[in-house]
Amino acid sequence: RKEVEQDPGPFNVPEGATVAFNCTYSNSASQSFFWYRQDCRKEPKLLMSVYSSGNEDGRFTAQLNRASQYISLLIRDSKLSDSATYLCVVRHNDMRFGAGTRLTVKP
Amino acid sequence: DADVTQTPRNRITKTGKRIMLECSQTKGHDRMYWYRQDPGLGLRLIYYSFDVKDINKGEISDGYSVSRQAQAKFSLSLESAIPNQTALYFCATSDRAGETQYFGPGTRLLVL
Repeated sequence: RKEVEQDPGPFNVPEGATVAFNCTYSNSASQSFFWYRQDCRKEPKLLMSVYSSGNEDGRFTAQLNRASQYISLLIRDSKLSDSATYLCVVRHNDMRFGAGTRLTVKP
Repeated sequence: DADVTQTPRNRITKTGKRIMLECSQTKGHDRMYWYRQDPGLGLRLIYYSFDVKDINKGEISDGYSVSRQAQAKFSLSLESAIPNQTALYFCATSDRAGETQYFGPGTRLLVL
């Protein structure tokens, strides 16, 4: 079983839609949680950290459920520029990356 | 100028050849990492270094070696390349808290 599992997608949504991505992790001792964004053929970049109380950054909302070992990312009012692969990342001693969920936002 | 650079950006080599991928950073970070990315598998950690005298194996270190020549430089070597080492390789850095990683642009390696 992979340490970090994500639905690979692809998710194809129209502009303005709300889309949610889920992620589960296996190591209950994991300490920190993140969502990274990776554009096609580019390097991953930090989108946002995920805090236990949940956190929001503009149109993006991240949630963490430690009991269920589950992380989510909600994107509201999708833009064409949101098209990318979203990587769930979990840190224990080192960073473990999910394989990513691909999102395409269409006009 | 980019904070984390990798050379070469693309490389084609033959089975059995020794190759080196180089990474440099201007962020002043102590910690540096090498990952490989394969379709459907995500990024996997090969080696990491918390300072010049500290080198650690990651999840998939077999067939690879590293050298931390200076705080700003961390190189990855494939001693005898094999086709299943064909992948996209990323170097990354982080500060001592290790919370955010900053990635280089990647090196696409094809082993024939």
